Amino acid sequence: DAGVTQSPTHLIKTRGQQVTLRCSPKSGHDTVSWYQQALGQGPQFIFQYYEEEERQRGNFPDRFSGHQFPNYSSELNVNALLLGDSALYLCASSLAGLGEQYFGPGTRLTVT
Amino acid sequence: QQQVKQSPQSLIVQKGGISIINCAYENTAFDYFPWYQQFPGKGPALLIAIRPDVSEKKEGRFTISFNKSAKQFSLHIMDSQPGDSATYFCAAFGGNTPLVFGKGTRLSVIA
Repeated sequence: DAGVTQSPTHLIKTRGQQVTLRCSPKSGHDTVSWYQQALGQGPQFIFQYYEEEERQRGNFPDRFSGHQFPNYSSELNVNALLLGDSALYLCASSLAGLGEQYFGPGTRLTVT
Repeated sequence: QQQVKQSPQSLIVQKGGISIINCAYENTAFDYFPWYQQFPGKGPALLIAIRPDVSEKKEGRFTISFNKSAKQFSLHIMDSQPGDSATYFCAAFGGNTPLVFGKGTRLSVIA
């Protein structure tokens, strides 16, 4: 049973560029949530997707957007990258948006 | 305003000892309280979780104690091992609030 997978593992971008991160949920899960984890901090909720719609959103600017596909996989897009966007981006999946969430290994984004 | 407050920030425990990490919350709509374990360079792994209708849950060497009236919960790691050295996060979920995390506790178990 495959767990949550994310790609790419690492990414280096330049300030002002755009980035797309990808996530495949755990088998049987239909909800995907995205989190940003700065070094030494706990994960911060970005948004959650269920039935291909953004269901909840945290305190992140509109530069952060997402998408969920019919197979429940998801993308996180960040436009106009800032140095402060450097972080570990985590995807978590759950069933019907329940609290029991399983995390992927994350994508380490570095903005230079 | 931080919705879940976690302490201590770091903890050093002798091998075989008990590690205790505490968390407190304010939002009474929270109804699910998980603990996550995270190793460097990895994503958080769900360790154990509890709901407010029970005061304690035990899984192997890991126990959650829950005090609903005090709005506090804690993780106890019995017989701590060097392999338990990691960062531990408490979290809370419920109502219209998504999963919110504490700031983490860096645990070091020394031989």
